[in-house]
Amino acid sequence: QVQLLESGPGLVKPSETLSLTCAVSGDSISNFYWNWIRQPPGKGLEWIGFIIYSGSTSYHPSLKSRVTISVDTSKNQFSLKLTSVTAADTAVYFCARALSGTAAVFDYWGQGALVTVSS
Amino acid sequence: DIVMTQSPDSLAVSLGERATINCKSSQSVLYSSNNKNYLAWYQQKPGQPPKLLIYWAFTRESGVPDRFSGSGSGTDFTLTISSLQAEDVAVYYCQEYYSTACTFGPGTKVDVK
Repeated sequence: QVQLLESGPGLVKPSETLSLTCAVSGDSISNFYWNWIRQPPGKGLEWIGFIIYSGSTSYHPSLKSRVTISVDTSKNQFSLKLTSVTAADTAVYFCARALSGTAAVFDYWGQGALVTVSS
Repeated sequence: DIVMTQSPDSLAVSLGERATINCKSSQSVLYSSNNKNYLAWYQQKPGQPPKLLIYWAFTRESGVPDRFSGSGSGTDFTLTISSLQAEDVAVYYCQEYYSTACTFGPGTKVDVK
């Protein structure tokens, strides 16, 4: 059974960097595409980006200048960094696996990590 | 960017009755080379992550009850719950994965009447 678990600070100050890690169990991170998706409180879903084991990435154009997704295959985990955060970045951040044969059909999700941007 | 819209915003259906949710994309998500529609549906209950229901517009994910079905092609799609159960109360999202930056619809809330 594939499980994903997000971890990281729940509170980040404006202008600082949001950092989250997604630990994957039950599957090797060397397969599939691994994604970050966020959901502001009470709102809809926004795709942030993906990474594959080789380190190749793709990011949402609106966030590209501030986002870095990296992978650590030795720890079977991948990470998200979002710089220069504002209140608009307050959201539940989900990590998710993409269905085999796709980059962006999400079949396994973490429970989500609420990150609040506030001073 | 492809913009996804959904209708209605919310609906209330009696238990055992049919629920129909519509999704429209601002451009076609049908890829001509493989004749597949790059469209998925998710269900999200409060406090939970979304759950994949349907992909390729009509392929049901393993374990999803067969009362859930997807249809449509090109720019217009439908998710149908043939006989609403209490556990189907949730928000439903469509998502295109045709573009390099996939986008989700705004969601449709389904309640019991």
